[in-house]
Amino acid sequence: QQQVKQSPQSLIVQKGGISIINCAYENTAFDYFPWYQQFPGKGPALLIAIRPDVSEKKEGRFTISFNKSAKQFSLHIMDSQPGDSATYFCAASRGSTLGRLYFGRGTQLTVWP
Amino acid sequence: NAGVTQTPKFQVLKTGQSMTLQCAQDMNHNSMYWYRQDPGMGLRLIYYSASEGTTDKGEVPNGYNVSRLNKREFSLRLESAAPSQTSVYFCASNFRDRGNEQFFGPGTRLTVL
Repeated sequence: QQQVKQSPQSLIVQKGGISIINCAYENTAFDYFPWYQQFPGKGPALLIAIRPDVSEKKEGRFTISFNKSAKQFSLHIMDSQPGDSATYFCAASRGSTLGRLYFGRGTQLTVWP
Repeated sequence: NAGVTQTPKFQVLKTGQSMTLQCAQDMNHNSMYWYRQDPGMGLRLIYYSASEGTTDKGEVPNGYNVSRLNKREFSLRLESAAPSQTSVYFCASNFRDRGNEQFFGPGTRLTVL
């Protein structure tokens, strides 16, 4: 059973537009929600993360919105750039699982110039 | 710091052959992980090691074995490779009790003919 569900599978956005990727989870014990960014031929790297005590976290053009009651969180990329073209993974974990992350299936983002 | 290193980068095997994928980290992390990445399936956990001397199964352990050789090194072995094991394999590591951020290696692209 997939612990974290991610949509859409692929996303095409024009340069300067807003990219939005959504994730949903069922396990209310999750207490850490990161987003990873992966460029072709590379390993994933942490982009931004949030804990459930806040509803939003912003780092530059990247924002996580978190809705605890709906068990959903999303990544917003403002002013999307061609250099943002990558695969994005959401994930979740809980303190009792000793650092293990449960990943969504990924979203391939393409930003057209 | 080299971070997380993996060898080899590429490998082609014939069905039934065996091989070991090597992973090492120099960040003094206590937890290490092996994932496989397949198109549309995201990152699936094969095995993980929460600390030196312990290993646990992840989502897709069948056909694999692991060894946590010491705190730095975590190897993944395919005893009898099958075409279904064609994938990109990533090793990752983290401090399990410090925010859960996982650091990934560059990956090994394995093809089983």
